[in-house]
Amino acid sequence: SYELTQPPSVSVSPGQTASITCSGDNLGDKYASWYQQKPGQSPVLVIYRDTKRPSGIPERFSGSNSGNTATLTISRTQAMDEADYYCQAWDSSVVFGGGTKLTVL
Amino acid sequence: EVHLLESGGGLVQPGGSLRLSCAASGFTFSSYAMNWVRRAPGKGLEWVSGIRDSGGSTSYADSMKGRFTISRDNSKNTLYLQMNSLRAEDTAIYYCAKADSGTDATSHFYYYMDGWGKGTTVTVSS
Repeated sequence: SYELTQPPSVSVSPGQTASITCSGDNLGDKYASWYQQKPGQSPVLVIYRDTKRPSGIPERFSGSNSGNTATLTISRTQAMDEADYYCQAWDSSVVFGGGTKLTVL
Repeated sequence: EVHLLESGGGLVQPGGSLRLSCAASGFTFSSYAMNWVRRAPGKGLEWVSGIRDSGGSTSYADSMKGRFTISRDNSKNTLYLQMNSLRAEDTAIYYCAKADSGTDATSHFYYYMDGWGKGTTVTVSS
């Protein structure tokens, strides 16, 4: 079965840029999406179709996908961005990455 | 605006059954695939099951096959998940999620979840 691999944790200082990676075999041939989940809340879609932002998602959030790696980039990171982030792709069914906890120090 | 409201969670003994429901509003329910996704304590998101817009096609994660059944009633704008033979490891918050899917101009398939409910908690314990 298809697998997506994310680092368990990423730390960033306020105002800096955070990058969260998601690796999978030829992931660049598929579309990647990203979800943000804060404690006690439901997941929220922040990036879809590799690079697109839903309405209401700040421009600070951006995505890319090439080769075997998709990347979620958060510019000018704020304390409110601290959350778990999950990548997702489709390979005959929905596949999630294991999740990355973003800590804003 | 997409609104999804799950219900039916609770405490159940191992081997027991539960039926989850998800009431949808704010979009044309019958036009979209739907999914159940769960998050167990201390774990990440796990896809459980999905169903096509018409209900004619369903899919399941391997660990749920044969135990869970997804269905929908488009006349009632409601999604269901029948869970049988429940195990302690099924303890989780279960989310209902609306999917957007299709094929782009380059014949590239996309599938993502753009609306989520608040979840319903299932606890399997004796």
